[in-house]
Amino acid sequence: NAGVTQTPKFRVLKTGQSMTLLCAQDMNHEYMYWYRQDPGMGLRLIHYSVGEGTTAKGEVPDGYNVSRLKKQNFLLGLESAAPSQTSVYFCASSADRGFYNEQFFGPGTRLTVL
Amino acid sequence: GIQVEQSPPDLILQEGANSTLRCNFSDSVNNLQWFHQNPWGQLINLFYIPSGTKQNGRLSATTVATERYSLLYISSSQTTDSGVYFCAVPNQAGTALIFGKGTTLSVSS
Repeated sequence: NAGVTQTPKFRVLKTGQSMTLLCAQDMNHEYMYWYRQDPGMGLRLIHYSVGEGTTAKGEVPDGYNVSRLKKQNFLLGLESAAPSQTSVYFCASSADRGFYNEQFFGPGTRLTVL
Repeated sequence: GIQVEQSPPDLILQEGANSTLRCNFSDSVNNLQWFHQNPWGQLINLFYIPSGTKQNGRLSATTVATERYSLLYISSSQTTDSGVYFCAVPNQAGTALIFGKGTTLSVSS
């Protein structure tokens, strides 16, 4: 039982390049989330999904797109990377809506945009 | 939206000391989580504690939901306890966790 996994662990991009971050969970969770963490701050929600085929915007969605084609996978895309997107990205999942459900986090992806 | 404040922002301890970290939140919540972010950046779930008290080894947590605060106790601290401790509560829609800015703990031997 691996929990929540993320690939890649590290990535360096040049401004304007694109990339996709992959999140996978093996807990059969309905809800999945993408957060970003910037220095000295807690995590902020980028996008989330309440089930296969659904996505919704979070607090800081600009410059990102997401897809949830399979229940166990949640992809985060950057179409044209900018230096402001340099951050650590965390994926999380929960069994259901967050009121009564614990969220579990992946190990993070450290992204640098030059 | 819900505000989450943590104190103190920084804490420096000698190995073996005890400490208390505090998390205040501005509105009633249905759950609260404590995390430890280790020096390698991994977020470790410590407690899921909507109310009451839980213990796990040298760590324990208490949430008093009616007074809108939670406390994390670390006893007999070890160098491996170093890192950042976050508390987080769900937003009003239950679609995300709202994180505090964390308490950075440094334990020296």
